[in-house]
Amino acid sequence: AQKVTQAQTEISVVEKEDVTLDCVYETRDTTYYLFWYKQPPSGELVFLIRRNSFDEQNEISGRYSWNFQKSTSSFNFTITASQVVDSAVYFCALRSHHMEYGNKLVFGAGTILRVKS
Amino acid sequence: SAVISQKPSRDICQRGTSLTIQCQVDSQVTMMFWYRQQPGQSLTLIATANQGSEATYESGFVIDKFPISRPNLTFSTLTVSNLSPEDSSIYLCSVPPAGANTDTQYFGPGTRLTVL
Repeated sequence: AQKVTQAQTEISVVEKEDVTLDCVYETRDTTYYLFWYKQPPSGELVFLIRRNSFDEQNEISGRYSWNFQKSTSSFNFTITASQVVDSAVYFCALRSHHMEYGNKLVFGAGTILRVKS
Repeated sequence: SAVISQKPSRDICQRGTSLTIQCQVDSQVTMMFWYRQQPGQSLTLIATANQGSEATYESGFVIDKFPISRPNLTFSTLTVSNLSPEDSSIYLCSVPPAGANTDTQYFGPGTRLTVL
């Protein structure tokens, strides 16, 4: 079975604070893919990052960084110096490499991030 | 990357009626996915639409309620039938990676459905 857990339902921070969104996943596959998506109030799903299970290098993109740790099955997302425009719902998702699961994504429940000015 | 459009972007429907949502992709894709996002909830896969064959439905979703068409490799429709207020959700279509699981998965802008 595949499962993604985002334990933080909602986080509120003040602008310029750093914030980390947690994601823990479960899978029996050895090859899988992890994603983060952002959903602003407008509703569209914006792709942020994809990470392969065999690539544990952390990644930084501007104010965004991701920490992938297979040992703890976690794929956490940090926003540095948060801005009001970062306010959105953030989803972590998992996709198996194996065709028996198709190419479907399994989503976490999402974390609502509110950044106050 | 794939560009995905959906129509309508939003609609308000009466109970008992049906709504057909269109999804158009700017490139040919083998599979298209339909997801539902109920208010305040995460995304749940409804079905996988393959061109030339019947759609594959996830547990809890049935063809009578969510009939899907896939007439070609760039287009699909999802119909939500016999609407009830519980069907009020955002419906999103999605395109899987073009290669062997090497690319991202793209989503359409969604269709926001409100059932009165």
